[in-house]
Amino acid sequence: GAVVSQHPSRVICKSGTSVKIECRSLDFQATTMFWYRQFPKQSLMLMATSNEGSKATYEQGVEKDKFLINHASLTLSTLTVTSAHPEDSSFYICSAGTSGSLVGTDTQYFGPGTRLTVL
Amino acid sequence: AQSVAQPEDQVNVAEGNPLTVKCTYSVSGNPYLFWYVQYPNRGLQFLLKYITGDNLVKGSYGFEAEFNKSQTSFHLKKPSALVSDSALYFCAVRDGGDSSYKLIFGSGTRLLVRP
Repeated sequence: GAVVSQHPSRVICKSGTSVKIECRSLDFQATTMFWYRQFPKQSLMLMATSNEGSKATYEQGVEKDKFLINHASLTLSTLTVTSAHPEDSSFYICSAGTSGSLVGTDTQYFGPGTRLTVL
Repeated sequence: AQSVAQPEDQVNVAEGNPLTVKCTYSVSGNPYLFWYVQYPNRGLQFLLKYITGDNLVKGSYGFEAEFNKSQTSFHLKKPSALVSDSALYFCAVRDGGDSSYKLIFGSGTRLLVRP
């Protein structure tokens, strides 16, 4: 149980285009999802917290107009990198938590990550 | 403010020997502590957590961790390391009174188990 998937696992795009990354909780309902960014050989940097049905809360320094987050259902959140530039190239990881009874309310379960390369 | 420190960038150990990966934390409320492991180009896999109860927590793949309140530590341990344990390990903490579930991660420790 507590499986989180991400799609795509890898994407290469041209500068100026937009890229959408999907994060799904496969066997539980995720009331809260998180989006992280990880640079090579570094820790995870929290970008935003997403609660189902409400606007995402962005961390300081993260541009909300550049990184659009939608959490339309209890099993799906999407991150759209708009007008991507080479400096947006990174490893993006989502995680999901829940207040339901199926999994512990205190644990975040992580997706496998998406490697974004902007040319 | 919450923080997590993993003082070692890398830990080297021979297969079959015990391993310890260190973690200390700072949090204003009750600490909820977690260990995750990351293999190359993969997301994080949950290993174990401490919320309340016994200070010694057992998790996946034979790992365990001991919560030490006085030393504000939550070191990860395994009695006998395997080559397949080689990976990047992250300690994380959140304030138990924070309903946002936000985790603060340490910088990570790379574990290298040599045959």
